[in-house]
Amino acid sequence: DQQVKQNSPSLSVQEGRISILNCDYTNSMFDYFLWYKKYPAEGPTFLISISSIKDKNEDGRFTVFLNKSAKHLSLHIVPSQPGDSAVYFCAATLSGTYKYIFGTGTRLKVLA
Amino acid sequence: KAGVTQTPRYLIKTRGQQVTLSCSPISGHRSVSWYQQTPGQGLQFLFEYFSETQRNKGNFPGRFSGRQFSNSRSEMNVSTLELGDSALYLCASSSGGDGTEAFFGQGTRLTVV
Repeated sequence: DQQVKQNSPSLSVQEGRISILNCDYTNSMFDYFLWYKKYPAEGPTFLISISSIKDKNEDGRFTVFLNKSAKHLSLHIVPSQPGDSAVYFCAATLSGTYKYIFGTGTRLKVLA
Repeated sequence: KAGVTQTPRYLIKTRGQQVTLSCSPISGHRSVSWYQQTPGQGLQFLFEYFSETQRNKGNFPGRFSGRQFSNSRSEMNVSTLELGDSALYLCASSSGGDGTEAFFGQGTRLTVV
């Protein structure tokens, strides 16, 4: 049973435009969500997180939106840059634990 | 501040052998968790240690075990290796408090032949 889903395996975006990556979860107990970026043969790099008490969190070019009723979160990258090309994973957990349930990832390609 | 350090980076083992992987967390971090990444199953949680105690465990067979030392360094062990254990094993460290993220090491690439 896949508790965290990223339904788009890949996404291509033109440099300078907005990238929107989506993630759905099924377990309503999850209350802390994170996005990581990953390059091949490297560990994931933390990007941004959001607690379930918020519906939006911003950090520079990255914004995460959380819709608890729909059990959906999204990551917006504006403007997209070629260096953003990587695989993006969303993860969900219960705050205070580090048992992250990861989605299957979305490969983002930003075209110059 | 040094990041999470995993050793070795690459490892080749034969089926049936056992292997030990090491992880040194970020200084001051008390929580260490381990993940397995494979093409078929994605990133899957193995276990988490906090102050030398296992706090959470994923759905892996008993061949997978771990421990954490008093200096927060952690090791994971896989016994009786199978071909399917070939994967990237990732360690992550965190301060252990609420609302804090985990930082990952570069991983150990294990190949079982």
